[in-house]
Amino acid sequence: SQQGEEDPQALSIQEGENATMNCSYKTSINNLQWYRQNSGRGLVHLILIRSNEREKHSGRLRVTLDTSKKSSSLLITASRAADTASYFCATERTGGFKTIFGAGTRLFVKA
Amino acid sequence: GAGVSQSPRYKVAKRGQDVALRCDPISGHVSLFWYQQALGQGPEFLTYFQNEAQLDKSGLPSDRFFAERPEGSVSTLKIQRTQQEDSAVYLCASSFNRGFSYEQYFGPGTRLTVT
Repeated sequence: SQQGEEDPQALSIQEGENATMNCSYKTSINNLQWYRQNSGRGLVHLILIRSNEREKHSGRLRVTLDTSKKSSSLLITASRAADTASYFCATERTGGFKTIFGAGTRLFVKA
Repeated sequence: GAGVSQSPRYKVAKRGQDVALRCDPISGHVSLFWYQQALGQGPEFLTYFQNEAQLDKSGLPSDRFFAERPEGSVSTLKIQRTQQEDSAVYLCASSFNRGFSYEQYFGPGTRLTVT
């Protein structure tokens, strides 16, 4: 029943490499958000991109949004071992109250 | 300032017992969400409050699940006659408002195990 789908399901990279995760969704949205979850800190908001924005940066994070393809990507540059976590995209639909999370991408960064 | 807090952090219930899970949102946050997260999955929306009004309860899996936020701040999620399939982490989140530009702040969750 989850609307968002992340791709890949799992990703293993070396420290210093870039990590790219993709998210697809099904309906019109107000905004799309990316969250990180690890056992130490729970779910933490990373970045929000509005439906009228195409790209946004925050530190080592770069998010793109293509509303015509109903997809988004999250790029983490120069990854660190501390980036090891699950990453989820979440969408808020227009005209509704639900926030829909995907199943997540599990990122493992090897030191 | 203080973040979102939830209690208890862990709850073990025998099948058939009723449980109540509490969420203290960030002060002044209008919106409050409850989610259920199974192991290895993303959070699944349960219900949404705007102040004291429950505007969306479409994600509640059955009529055994009930949520309230009577004064527009603290919220309680109650599960009656718990079943094994209710075992999950229950997450609460709050935001200043909802919609266009507001991020959600999550609590640590309550891990419910039904035996």
